[in-house]
Amino acid sequence: QKEVEQDPGPLSVPEGAIVSLNCTYSNSAFQYFMWYRQYSRKGPELLMYTYSSGNKEDGRFTAQVDKSSKYISLFIRDSQPSDSATYLCAMSEGNTPLVFGKGTRLSVIA
Amino acid sequence: KAGVTQTPRYLIKTRGQQVTLSCSPISGHRSVSWYQQTPGQGLQFLFEYFSETQRNKGNFPGRFSGRQFSNSRSEMNVSTLELGDSALYLCASSPTGVGEQYFGPGTRLTVT
Repeated sequence: QKEVEQDPGPLSVPEGAIVSLNCTYSNSAFQYFMWYRQYSRKGPELLMYTYSSGNKEDGRFTAQVDKSSKYISLFIRDSQPSDSATYLCAMSEGNTPLVFGKGTRLSVIA
Repeated sequence: KAGVTQTPRYLIKTRGQQVTLSCSPISGHRSVSWYQQTPGQGLQFLFEYFSETQRNKGNFPGRFSGRQFSNSRSEMNVSTLELGDSALYLCASSPTGVGEQYFGPGTRLTVT
């Protein structure tokens, strides 16, 4: 079983839709959870950062962490064509390397 | 604040050669991590440096090495290049190495 599982997609949605992206993990010691957005031929850009469980909202983006289920989610409201990118989840125990999912490719169609 | 910068952005090398990549972290960040990104394997951790000391190391052969200087800038070296080393090499910096990391644009290495 991989340490972090993420559906690779591709996921195609119409403009204005709510997008739900998810990752599951097996290591119960993970405490730090991140979502990155990566455009083609660019480096990953940090979108959301959460410590431990709970929700965090930033504009159109909401990150949720459910440590009891070992499941994290990223919601994008009112999706825009500019949101078309690959979304990567990442997590760590703390002073340890980030472990990444393989990424989900999202296309938002105008 | 300026972001993480990496040089060069693109590199073409021949099998057997060696290469050195450079990374300048965000000002004030003391931790620098290196990752290899390929379509098949995704993002894989190479190593992390904090205050000039290697603190974590991934599962890569000894041909991959790195170092960090007193100003937190870091270099990564790959010796005896193989075709499979073709990848996007990403550098990420963090204030302490715990929690969030900020990535540079990457160096795209092609080995022919």
